[in-house]
Amino acid sequence: DAKTTQPPSMDCAEGRAANLPCNHSTISGNEYVYWYRQIHSQGPQYIIHGLKNNETNEMASLIITEDRKSSTLILPHATLRDTAVYYCIAGGITGNQFYFGTGTSLTVIP
Amino acid sequence: ETGVTQTPRHLVMGMTNKKSLKCEQHLGHNAMYWYKQSAKKPLELMFVYSLEERVENNSVPSRFSPECPNSSHLFLHLHTLQPEDSALYLCASSHAGTGSSPLHFGNGTRLTVT
Repeated sequence: DAKTTQPPSMDCAEGRAANLPCNHSTISGNEYVYWYRQIHSQGPQYIIHGLKNNETNEMASLIITEDRKSSTLILPHATLRDTAVYYCIAGGITGNQFYFGTGTSLTVIP
Repeated sequence: ETGVTQTPRHLVMGMTNKKSLKCEQHLGHNAMYWYKQSAKKPLELMFVYSLEERVENNSVPSRFSPECPNSSHLFLHLHTLQPEDSALYLCASSHAGTGSSPLHFGNGTRLTVT
């Protein structure tokens, strides 16, 4: 499974877009990019995933570069409830390839 | 997230006790996972069951014993634990073998070993 690299922490003003980067330069052709977030003392919450194309759902947008070596999770209008640790994972084909790193701690500032 | 339910939410046990953590998923998935999350550490994958067979065991001490009686239920049996085993234990499920399938997590059991 590909290793991912994320900045340890970021701040974002409430109401602004939060752009969280992730590097996955060793991702293989059939591995997906998944994003999760975890609020203190709760289980990680699935946000979005994609293979090659950009994806959007009600929570966020996922932008994957053409070479698939990096991606950005976009929260279009951050709220205080978006304060959490965000994890980027590359893998998940056979079901036992979900390895979490240390993630990015996002703080949304009022 | 109500698709994966874990009980109990909190557990305090002595080092000589035997207890079990329970996980149930209502999502029709065929793979289930146990993760351990210690303070200020990444999630550690402990066990993976796919189609009720254990497919991964990441060098977990034998004082942790998983059981998967069917595709909807997963247990983690605990005995003679150590204080360093205190952590948040998370269960997850997915539909393995069909391309992409995100993990869906429960809210975990907060275990304290005294």
